[in-house]
Amino acid sequence: EVQLVESGGGLVQPGGSLRLSCAASGIPVNDYSMNWVRQAPGKGLEWVASISSGGTFIYYADSVKGRFTISRDDARNSLFLQMNSLRAEDTAVYYCAREIGVSRSDYWGQGTLVTVSA
Amino acid sequence: DIQMTQSPSSLSASVGDRVTITCRASQSISSYLHWYQQKPGKAPKLLIYAASSLQSGVPSRFSGSGSGTDFTLTISSLQPEDFATYYCQQSYSTLRTFGQGTKVEVK
Repeated sequence: EVQLVESGGGLVQPGGSLRLSCAASGIPVNDYSMNWVRQAPGKGLEWVASISSGGTFIYYADSVKGRFTISRDDARNSLFLQMNSLRAEDTAVYYCAREIGVSRSDYWGQGTLVTVSA
Repeated sequence: DIQMTQSPSSLSASVGDRVTITCRASQSISSYLHWYQQKPGKAPKLLIYAASSLQSGVPSRFSGSGSGTDFTLTISSLQPEDFATYYCQQSYSTLRTFGQGTKVEVK
């Protein structure tokens, strides 16, 4: 059974940092492209970042470029999102998701809530 | 970035109704278009990929069509468990984008 479990969310002050983790089981994360997608309270889905299967290609949404870093640890079979210089508008539930085939996301974690507030 | 525009933003329907949701891309995305269903407090669920392919385990009342810039998600006979929000997403560009969502509510 494939499982993606996010952790690391919480309350952080504006300008602060947080590191999210996504632990995978049932699939080797290094074989797939992986995404972070977020959803602000009451809002729609927003793609945040992607990392390719070999880690060669990394892409970010303009809204987070220069502040967020996506990475993976194949030995721990985990995906990470380092978030720096956090803003109120980064408040959201953050999901990790696997991409396959024509880059559709077929498996998603349950999400972890990040709240940026003073 | 490629902009994805869904319509309508919300709709009211009854069990048994045929429901159609449209998604328009700001430029051609070939068939790199996927549909997700999301219920409150839950992660999105993949329904349709590559515009018209049904994801394994998804009921056949869901179908998708289109290519280029215009796409459609159809639910042939709405069931109680289908009341949810639906999103389209393009993967043609390395910068993925979602539509704003369509909420299907009880009439």
